[in-house]
Amino acid sequence: DQQVKQNSPSLSVQEGRISILNCDYTNSMFDYFLWYKKYPAEGPTFLISISSIKDKNEDGRFTVFLNKSAKHLSLHIVPSQPGDSAVYFCAAVAGNNRKLIWGLGTSLAVNP
Amino acid sequence: NAGVTQTPKFQVLKTGQSMTLQCAQDMNHEYMSWYRQDPGMGLRLIHYSVGAGITDQGEVPNGYNVSRSTTEDFPLRLLSAAPSQTSVYFCASSLNRGIQYFGPGTRLLVL
Repeated sequence: DQQVKQNSPSLSVQEGRISILNCDYTNSMFDYFLWYKKYPAEGPTFLISISSIKDKNEDGRFTVFLNKSAKHLSLHIVPSQPGDSAVYFCAAVAGNNRKLIWGLGTSLAVNP
Repeated sequence: NAGVTQTPKFQVLKTGQSMTLQCAQDMNHEYMSWYRQDPGMGLRLIHYSVGAGITDQGEVPNGYNVSRSTTEDFPLRLLSAAPSQTSVYFCASSLNRGIQYFGPGTRLLVL
């Protein structure tokens, strides 16, 4: 049973446009959410996170939005750059548990 | 500060062979974990440790053993390799809740 779902396996956008990656979750105990970025042949790297007490967190070109009532979060990348082409994983954690629950990832391709 | 290091980067085994995947971190992180990544399966937790001397199973622990004798090292042992263990293995460590730092991965092929 997938508690964190990324329903779009892939996404393609033009350079300079907005990329929106979506993530849904089912466990209402999740209170901290993270996005990781992964290039081929490398380990995932932390990108941005958000606590459940917030509905938005911004870091440069990256913004994460959280809609608790819908159990939905999204990552916005503006403007998208070819170097953003990677697999993006959504992850969630509940309480003091450090175990991350991962989505299956969305492969983003930013075309020049 | 090297972060999380993993060795080897690539390994080929024959069915039934044993090996140890090494993982080390120099950030004094208490929490360490091992994942495997397979196509279409995302990252699946194999084993994890919340500190030296303490380990626990993740969602796919069968066929793997771990130990944590020091804060820095968290080796993953395959006792009798099987083709189903062909995968990319990632080690990660964490100080703060949720934010994990990953190694570069070990690609394992079991023939």
